[in-house]
Parts: sequence; C-alpha cells; structure tokens
Amino acid sequence: NAGVTQTPKFRVLKTGQSMTLLCAQDMNHEYMYWYRQDPGMGLRLIHYSVGEGTTAKGEVPDGYNVSRLKKQNFLLGLESAAPSQTSVYFCASSHFGPQHFGDGTRLSIL
Amino acid sequence: DQQVKQNSPSLSVQEGRISILNCDYTNSMFDYFLWYKKYPAEGPTFLISISSIKDKNEDGRFTVFLNKSAKHLSLHIVPSQPGDSAVYFCAASVGGGSNYKLTFGKGTLLTVNP
Repeated sequence: NAGVTQTPKFRVLKTGQSMTLLCAQDMNHEYMYWYRQDPGMGLRLIHYSVGEGTTAKGEVPDGYNVSRLKKQNFLLGLESAAPSQTSVYFCASSHFGPQHFGDGTRLSIL
Repeated sequence: DQQVKQNSPSLSVQEGRISILNCDYTNSMFDYFLWYKKYPAEGPTFLISISSIKDKNEDGRFTVFLNKSAKHLSLHIVPSQPGDSAVYFCAASVGGGSNYKLTFGKGTLLTVNP
C-alpha cells in the first residue's frame, strides 16, 4: 500500500553539488510529475512524463533534468545546485484520475 | 501572473460550524477543478473535484460549488471537525482527462477549533 514513495526525505547540499531525487510508484500509473513548493506558494510543475521514456517541461524547468527509464520510476536531477533550488519537492502520479502525491523531499542548498 | 488565486491565507472556524474556502481563477480555458488537503510533512491528498459542466459536486461533508461566469469556486465543509485542520489547495487544469497539468493556488490554512 505504498503509493508514491520519494527518496530521500531530507537532504542538504552545497552550492554546485549535484544530486538525484527518486520517485517510485506502485500503482501502474502512466503519468508522473515533479513539483516544487516554496513558502507562501502553491505547487509549481517542474517536469512531467506521459509514459515510459517520455518527459516534458512544466512551468519552472530551468536547472533540472528528469528521466523516466522505467514506468514506475521518475528521477529528478540537479546538475549544479543553487540556493534558489532550496524547496520541498513533491512527486505525483496519475492515470485517468486525480494525481496522487508522495510525502515530499525537503532539500536545502547552502 | 497568478492564474489560480486563494486570497485568504488562513481561516479559523469553530467545530461543528461551516468552513467556506474560496478560489478564483483567471484562465477561461480551465475546465476541471480540484481541491487538495495537506497536513504538515505530508503530500497533498485529493479531496474533491468538479468539471466545468457542473456547478456543484458533493461528497459527504464536502461540497464544491463552481460559478463559471464569476470564475469562482468554493469548498464547503459541514460540519467542520478538528481533523479538518490543514492547508487546502485549489487547483485547475485544461482538459481534465487522463493527463493534465495542474495549476495550484497558494493555499488556505484552515484551523478548526474544538
């Protein structure tokens, strides 16, 4: 009964470091999404995928890359982290219905 | 350019009373609207949705009303319970089918006092 699982839950990076956030879903959903949430802001779409092997840009894609090599996984990469990327990142998945969200990854860039 | 607006950052109500959360949108292409509920340190959870072909949708204590001419929707919770205390996000999309990109409001923090 896992749903959408995000790894890691917390991470602190130094400016310029790289990292990958992992999202895994066990509901066989076709569509997956990455959002970021900043204080006082709603969720903003970074990238999304409509199926295995596909990705597309959302509202705020700059500084991020994504990959969907397997249907159940959607990876979000930061090549060179910047303080402006300090945020809470949420992954979601859907298939003919509302999006289901993971519990988020809290990322701090120093 | 905020396309989905929740102008009340917070709302406080007494247990048992009605909670009314409001949401306005500017994009006339939006045709599918959702409300999500979020507790601290958790992800948003889907609550209720409404298509633009309807003006009301009800699910237990939760009812969403849509006024397309005013580009306004509201979520009514009756009766409110302390467990309803959370941040509520309004979201909208164009084409509410299987693949849709959501535009979120900034959220309203609802506090239900015992």
